[in-house]
Amino acid sequence: IAGITQAPTSQILAAGRRMTLRCTQDMRHNAMYWYRQDLGLGLRLIHYSNTAGTTGKGEVPDGYSVSRANTDDFPLTLASAVPSQTSVYFCASSDGTGGSTDTQYFGPGTRLTVL
Amino acid sequence: GQNIDQPTEMTATEGAIVQINCTYQTSGFNGLFWYQQHAGEAPTFLSYNVLDGLEEKGRFSSFLSRSKGYSYLLLKELQMKDSASYLCAVTDSNYQLIWGAGTKLIIKP
Repeated sequence: IAGITQAPTSQILAAGRRMTLRCTQDMRHNAMYWYRQDLGLGLRLIHYSNTAGTTGKGEVPDGYSVSRANTDDFPLTLASAVPSQTSVYFCASSDGTGGSTDTQYFGPGTRLTVL
Repeated sequence: GQNIDQPTEMTATEGAIVQINCTYQTSGFNGLFWYQQHAGEAPTFLSYNVLDGLEEKGRFSSFLSRSKGYSYLLLKELQMKDSASYLCAVTDSNYQLIWGAGTKLIIKP
């Protein structure tokens, strides 16, 4: 593994189903982030983690949850998917302790469609 | 509220120069980033400005004026591979990164 990986690459999901998007980084970065990207809108922060064991809410956290049990993994869970959660989801990491001026590095993204 | 404005789309010719502008209104300022994003791919880091002035990096340069809440990305000697979206992002006083919607740059031969 080099950098950040995300799984799955894409997914079609029925409304009401539970879904976990996976994110793993091998750069030993402290901070990790989940964004969603929708056409015509900027990247919007869902949740973040400044360091293992801590998480925080971003701009659009409703309907999503995260955990950070270790440095490398930062899964994003949709407890009960709704069509408005159709989007491209990007995981990112940075070397600092989060929300800082450090450069963020992005995973390849997960394209999620909720029907 | 916090706001980042960029043109939605720009077109330029291969070999030419293009300037992509970004204006911002945020609660505080702790730096401005430019990222490049090719269609269907992840954003990748291009530049970071925290002080006023021009930062040059090869064919790409980025300028910042904090007093005007303004930045631009200058791309010289345009190549077809420069066709992409260019994202402006500002770190506010809470060190949260606020993103613009991006400028889609189309390069024509």
